[in-house]
Amino acid sequence: EAQVTQNPRYLITVTGKKLTVTCSQNMNHEYMSWYRQDPGLGLRQIYYSMNVEVTDKGDVPEGYKVSRKEKRNFPLILESPSPNQTSLYFCASSFSSRGNTEAFFGQGTRLTVV
Amino acid sequence: RKEVEQDPGPFNVPEGATVAFNCTYSNSASQSFFWYRQDCRKEPKLLMSVYSSGNEDGRFTAQLNRASQYISLLIRDSKLSDSATYLCVEGGGATNKLIFGTGTLLAVQP
Repeated sequence: EAQVTQNPRYLITVTGKKLTVTCSQNMNHEYMSWYRQDPGLGLRQIYYSMNVEVTDKGDVPEGYKVSRKEKRNFPLILESPSPNQTSLYFCASSFSSRGNTEAFFGQGTRLTVV
Repeated sequence: RKEVEQDPGPFNVPEGATVAFNCTYSNSASQSFFWYRQDCRKEPKLLMSVYSSGNEDGRFTAQLNRASQYISLLIRDSKLSDSATYLCVEGGGATNKLIFGTGTLLAVQP
């Protein structure tokens, strides 16, 4: 089954404790990205990757890191989480970097930083 | 001004009703538009793309009006299962960045 898989689905952590949210897709997609969703603000792009070893900042990259060492994986790293990073996070992938291709989303990771 | 703006709703409609949502966008050069559906606390899923010539899929019709820079979604014969948040999305450019509206909440009542 074609899918984007994120883990964990739910996470409560403390301020400053490094964490990684994994994202993996099995569709051989080139393009992957991370979004956060907050009430009243919608989904905002954090980072994106157009291919292996090619990553770039989205609209809200502060406090986050990513890597793309393999085509299928695109982990999101929070080196020192803070409470304002409490949010619902989605990983997405699409076939290419062209803007008219469908984006497939993971099931989301609900992160709470206390 | 937000890049993509939607009325947040909620739109409360009875089963069988016809409901329409509009969404405005600010970038006149944008080429790609979509409607995504998001159920409560779940991931967004593509509902339909929006073409200049209009796009119909069963009970759903999407239209693009470039002159006025808005897109619309029409749902006919609403079902209880249509209850969700509908996200207007502008896509594209060299980085394939998707710009999301904040969504319109639809609640279909029995």
